[in-house]
Amino acid sequence: EIVMTQSPATLSVSPGERATLSCRASQSVSSNLAWYQQKPGQAPRLLIYGASTRATGIPARFSGSGSGTEFTLTISSLQSEDFAVYYCQQYNNWYTFGQGTKLEIK
Amino acid sequence: EVQLVESGGGLVKPGGSLRLSCAASGFTFSSYSMNWVRQAPGKGLEWVSSISSSSSYIYYADSVKGRFTISRDNAKNSLYLQMNSLRAEDTAVYYCARVGVDSNYAFDYWGQGTLVTVSS
Repeated sequence: EIVMTQSPATLSVSPGERATLSCRASQSVSSNLAWYQQKPGQAPRLLIYGASTRATGIPARFSGSGSGTEFTLTISSLQSEDFAVYYCQQYNNWYTFGQGTKLEIK
Repeated sequence: EVQLVESGGGLVKPGGSLRLSCAASGFTFSSYSMNWVRQAPGKGLEWVSSISSSSSYIYYADSVKGRFTISRDNAKNSLYLQMNSLRAEDTAVYYCARVGVDSNYAFDYWGQGTLVTVSS
């Protein structure tokens, strides 16, 4: 099983600032990596697929990068609605999710 | 508009059974692979099971293999999860999720989830 490890567990950032979230795979997943946003009481929402492609309707302030085992989600200028939990997911070999990063207001 | 609506959750005793349903609309259900993903209270996401568009390919997480059965009825635009021999650790919100063809096979649409509680 491919293990996905996200860091940090919690990230405190002020509105308007940049947030950088990391995700590491225990073995290469090529570019078969997605990022999801989840707000309390809601289902996850697809943000990024193929490691770097924004899903339909996702604002340009969200960007993804990386390949192989190291991936990054960057939110360039945080808006109030961006504070949530973010999960990475590999779909190269079945499906596994990271444990999540909680993005909170500083 | 793509919609996925889960139902069938509830309180069940350990060792009991439950059948979840996911009603799909707004897209050609028979063309898409589907999944069940669960989330224990306050925890992260865990993939549970996948089924291909024609039910030819079915996969399970080790944690549910032999106890859960995924199925679909393309004529009824519905996805199912039969859960037997339930354990306390199966307590979670269960989501159905679509595998997106245009999203490089990531899960592009999710239902709102149905809560399963296993407790005596």
